[in-house]
Amino acid sequence: KQEVTQIPAALSVPEGENLVLNCSFTDSAIYNLQWFRQDPGKGLTSLLLIQSSQREQTSGRLNASLDKSSGRSTLYIAASQPGDSATYLCAVVSNYQLIWGAGTKLIIKP
Amino acid sequence: EAQVTQNPRYLITVTGKKLTVTCSQNMNHEYMSWYRQDPGLGLRQIYYSMNVEVTDKGDVPEGYKVSRKEKRNFPLILESPSPNQTSLYFCASSLNGVNYGYTFGSGTRLTVV
Repeated sequence: KQEVTQIPAALSVPEGENLVLNCSFTDSAIYNLQWFRQDPGKGLTSLLLIQSSQREQTSGRLNASLDKSSGRSTLYIAASQPGDSATYLCAVVSNYQLIWGAGTKLIIKP
Repeated sequence: EAQVTQNPRYLITVTGKKLTVTCSQNMNHEYMSWYRQDPGLGLRQIYYSMNVEVTDKGDVPEGYKVSRKEKRNFPLILESPSPNQTSLYFCASSLNGVNYGYTFGSGTRLTVV
């Protein structure tokens, strides 16, 4: 059964730092991987989608990589800002289901 | 604007009173699904639908029903809600549930007392 793990569970860094969030999955037979952002009590905003055949995707200050063979994805956030504070979730599509990690709660200190 | 619309956003109800949470998408997506989010348990899939009249159970289907009579709508039905169904619910759609990303609704916060 596919399991998705995100490390760290929480991260607090000063503004301006570059940071990396990690996501790992146990079964490499995935169709794609999607990173989401969730603000407290709010909905899920899609950040980046990486197809299984792709190695990375970029959007603005965000870059996500995918290594299917090792079951890992990273989300790189450049020049972090207080507005980046949120919970970041990764999810893999496996057998027509979206399997979620528990998320990384990110706090950017001004 | 391409979107998934859920209603209501907030709902407080009493145990045993049937309720329906509606979900509608305007992107002509084949695939739709429902999730619940609980502290410490994360997001879990309740039901999904790969096309009209085709539905299947997710990881936590007990106590829920769904129907997919038309492509755009995928309502979640709680026939006899119980307090353990108090949760934040999300509906999502995807072109085919496999090769394309998922778009989520804004969520429905349900409290069953």
